[in-house]
Amino acid sequence: GQSLEQPSEVTAVEGAIVQINCTYQTSGFYGLSWYQQHDGGAPTFLSYNALDGLEETGRFSSFLSRSDSYGYLLLQELQMKDSASYFCAENPRQAGTALIFGKGTTLSVSS
Amino acid sequence: NAGVTQTPKFQVLKTGQSMTLQCAQDMNHNSMYWYRQDPGMGLRLIYYSASEGTTDKGEVPNGYNVSRLNKREFSLRLESAAPSQTSVYFCASSPDLGRNYGYTFGSGTRLTVV
Repeated sequence: GQSLEQPSEVTAVEGAIVQINCTYQTSGFYGLSWYQQHDGGAPTFLSYNALDGLEETGRFSSFLSRSDSYGYLLLQELQMKDSASYFCAENPRQAGTALIFGKGTTLSVSS
Repeated sequence: NAGVTQTPKFQVLKTGQSMTLQCAQDMNHNSMYWYRQDPGMGLRLIYYSASEGTTDKGEVPNGYNVSRLNKREFSLRLESAAPSQTSVYFCASSPDLGRNYGYTFGSGTRLTVV
């Protein structure tokens, strides 16, 4: 089966660092993706981890540990514009299957 | 701008009415998807098309049908709308049904069934 768990809400202040965790119970999957969605907008792709370890893209980094069945998205130097929902998503190993998304984490950044 | 275009952006239907949501991409992607998004539920996969000529059910296909008209277009049809289908519908595409391709999403269709 497939199941992704993320916190429903996270709050932080400008300039801070925040980590959004994602745990999964999938019996087999190819990798973990992260998407950002501003209120009323479309989800946009942030990052993908196929292998264990850290992937860095500017202020955002994503980490995967297959042995611990978990990953996280790390946002540094938070800005007000980072207030959004963040979704982890998995690529199941079953042949021909599309992305399955977690329920999302709403990040609120205050000044 | 290149991307995924969805029409209409907003729609109100009466229970029992039918309608088709249109989606087109101009990125020459092989794979296309339909998701619905409800508060607190994240994005749930309705149907997807790995390539032109193929379609497969996702997590929540009941009450919907799809057509992959050609490589560019993937439509979603509600034959008899129900209030439970009130949602925001997103179409997406990717180069292939692959492991590390980010999906490009359309701006969504906000559907209300009364």
